[in-house]
Parts: sequence; C-alpha cells; structure tokens
Amino acid sequence: AQSVSQHNHHVILSEAASLELGCNYSYGGTVNLFWYVQYPGQHLQLLLKYFSGDPLVKGIKGFEAEFIKSKFSFNLRKPSVQWSDTAEYFCAVNLSTDSWGKLQFGAGTQVVVTP
Amino acid sequence: DSGVTQTPKHLITATGQRVTLRCSPRSGDLSVYWYQQSLDQGLQFLIQYYNGEERAKGNILERFSAQQFPDLHSELNLSSLELGDSALYFCASSVGRGAQFFGPGTRLTVL
Repeated sequence: AQSVSQHNHHVILSEAASLELGCNYSYGGTVNLFWYVQYPGQHLQLLLKYFSGDPLVKGIKGFEAEFIKSKFSFNLRKPSVQWSDTAEYFCAVNLSTDSWGKLQFGAGTQVVVTP
Repeated sequence: DSGVTQTPKHLITATGQRVTLRCSPRSGDLSVYWYQQSLDQGLQFLIQYYNGEERAKGNILERFSAQQFPDLHSELNLSSLELGDSALYFCASSVGRGAQFFGPGTRLTVL
C-alpha cells in the first residue's frame, strides 16, 4: 500500500540548533514530493517541492530538502532554527502519473524550538 | 495569505445536522481539493474537482458530498453529522498537478 512515513512525531530543540526531519515514502512509481508547514492556528504553507532535476531543493525560510531516490526519502533540513520555526511539519507525496495530483500526507512532526 | 478563502472559520452544530463549507480557490486555479484533518486520522484527502467536474475521490464518507460551481468555488456538504466528524476541513487549489495552496480551514465541532 502507498504510504508516507515521518520518523519523529515530536522534536524539541534549542534556537540555533540544526534540524533534520525524516520522510520516507512507499510508492511504486515516479513521485512529486512536498514539505508543508503549519504554524499554530494557521493553514498549511508550502515550504518546498520536488518534481524533477536537482535532488537538493531549496525552499522558503532557509529550509532545504534532499531527495534520495534509492532510499525513498525526502528529508527536510535547516542549519539553524529560530523560535519562529515552532510548527508542525508535513511531508506529502503524489504520483507523477496521477493526473489529478491528490496528496498523501505523513502524520506530521511537531517541532518546538526553545529560546 | 495563500489566496484560497474558506468560510466559515468555525462551525458548531449538533449530531444529525447538515452543514455546508465553502471554498474559493486562488485566481486562475481550476483544481480544488478537500482534506480533513483530525487528531486520530491526520490529514486525509477527501475529494477533488477540476473545472466543475469530480476527478478523484479519497476517504470520503457517503454522508459527505461536494460540488464545484461555474465560478470555480466549491462547497463541501456534510450531512447526518456524527461526533467523529469534528475536524478541521481544508480546501486547497492548484493549477493542474502543481503545488497545492491551502486555505485557512473550517473548524467543525459536532456536539
């Protein structure tokens, strides 16, 4: 069955620490990959996306992600987090061959950045 | 602000009732998606419309239905509501299969 797994449900770290959130998917074809962020009480915002090309993708707010096809992974990274990065982060996948692009989301990772 | 609008922001109703959630996509986006976010199920795809036609269905209950109108706004109708239907309902829009942009959501509470 197709699935998206996020390794950590909760992450707590201090400001200036580095962040890496894991995402693995189980799909039988070529995929498009996304990371969304949901700040407290707000809607989902697109951080970055990967469709094809360079597997290292840079997004907004200093985030980047690396697509490793052999590992079915799309991990999100930020070298130095800020208190304002406290949010829930969702990895999402759709199949490139899916004409209509519905997204399947991981369970989310709640990130808390302490001052 | 993603450009996707949803009304109402909050909805409180009783079991057995029917409600309608409304979504207006970003200007130029023809695809509208509906998702349900709950604590136990996470974010689940419900249904998608493209230019007025239903294109994909996910984990949508038979009690739920949706439509997209000629002006491209969409409505999600939830009927015979149960306690378990309490959730955040998000609408998203996109140009074709591109990245989806989400609205602020409607928080539904069924008492």
